[in-house]
Amino acid sequence: EVVLTQSPGTVSLSPGQRATFSCRTSHSVATNYLAWYQQRPGQAPLLLIYGASRRATGIPDRFSGSGSGTVFTLTITSVEPEDSAVYYCQQYGSSPPYTFGQGTKLEIK
Amino acid sequence: EVQVVESGGGLIQPGGSLRLSCAASGFIFSGHQMNWVRQAPGRGLEWISYISDRGDIRYYVDSVKGRFTISRDNAENSLYLQMTNLRAEDTGVYYCVRQQEYYDSSATNWVVYMDVWGKGTTVTVSS
Repeated sequence: EVVLTQSPGTVSLSPGQRATFSCRTSHSVATNYLAWYQQRPGQAPLLLIYGASRRATGIPDRFSGSGSGTVFTLTITSVEPEDSAVYYCQQYGSSPPYTFGQGTKLEIK
Repeated sequence: EVQVVESGGGLIQPGGSLRLSCAASGFIFSGHQMNWVRQAPGRGLEWISYISDRGDIRYYVDSVKGRFTISRDNAENSLYLQMTNLRAEDTGVYYCVRQQEYYDSSATNWVVYMDVWGKGTTVTVSS
């Protein structure tokens, strides 16, 4: 099973600042099998990025994904108050089990 | 509108059984693999089960193998999760999730992700 480790656990930023979230995998993951989700309090997760770097439909271009192998990154170029949420990475592999990282919480000051 | 709506959650005693349902609409249900993902209170997301588009291939996370059964009825556009021998650690919100796949010819491989999530149904296992 591929284990995903996200860092930091929590980040606190002011509006307009840049946010960077890391997702490290225990084994190499193909870029086509890496996705990022946003979960606001009390809501279901929302797909942000798939294929490591492809933005989902309707996602603002301030969100971007990058990385390969065992290190992947989600970046928000200029955070806004509505970006306050927990962010999860997930890997798919060629078949289940699919695994999530433990999440990074973004707080907006 | 593309959506999935879960139902069937509730309060159940340890050792009991519960059947969750998921009604899909706005898309060709039989053309998609489906998943169940759960979230314990205050915890992260946990993938628990997958079913292929035709229902002939199923996977489970180790912690639910032998206790949970995923199934689907393509004629009814519905996904199910039969849960037996429930434990306190099964408590949480259960999400029905559509899987999306397409072949990226430029990269010569498949791209996989989960793109449609329901609002979830809450299961509480407690005496």
